[in-house]
Amino acid sequence: DAGITQSPRHKVTETGTPVTLRCHQTENHRYMYWYRQDPGHGLRLIHYSYGVKDTDKGEVSDGYSVSRSKTEDFLLTLESATSSQTSVYFCAIGGGGNTEAFFGQGTRLTVV
Amino acid sequence: SQQGEEDPQALSIQEGENATMNCSYKTSINNLQWYRQNSGRGLVHLILIRSNEREKHSGRLRVTLDTSKKSSSLLITASRAADTASYFCATDGDNYGQNFVFGPGTRLSVLP
Repeated sequence: DAGITQSPRHKVTETGTPVTLRCHQTENHRYMYWYRQDPGHGLRLIHYSYGVKDTDKGEVSDGYSVSRSKTEDFLLTLESATSSQTSVYFCAIGGGGNTEAFFGQGTRLTVV
Repeated sequence: SQQGEEDPQALSIQEGENATMNCSYKTSINNLQWYRQNSGRGLVHLILIRSNEREKHSGRLRVTLDTSKKSSSLLITASRAADTASYFCATDGDNYGQNFVFGPGTRLSVLP
């Protein structure tokens, strides 16, 4: 899977708790992305990074924050989880919108 | 808002038949990509077509792009049961092409 690992793969958490998802790459790609996938919506961009400490918001960034302190790691934090954040989260890496992206296997998050 | 919209939402065909999926988008693009997602897995890149290209082939896949109509089509010839998956188109996003915007996808079922 192109040297990209997401952890955890599954998580159940309670409403109001903070949650951090990790994306780790071994490919040295500049760009890293976090998407969420929900039925009927396809994939929607949450945040992306174009370098260490360089991040930007996507379409559905409210309630999420990210950090990238190293090239290989991109963390997604749900500051206070809500039931509407129950989803499958995908990390992707690549060279920007003009090249292909490589996706992780996804993290299934359930907020109860 | 989503840039790409696939059509149809779901398609069911017999093994050996051809499958055609369409994607429409709203704003100008530099490139358009197609991805496949098997159930429970991450997305896999299939093909990228640039805005100055009209047609591209990769094995049993043929992609066309009509920038005047803001549309693309993906043709899978001689389909196999293993082609059963969801197919997504993605365009380079608004932010200087740094990210990808996905449509909601077409669910293809190939019956043996």
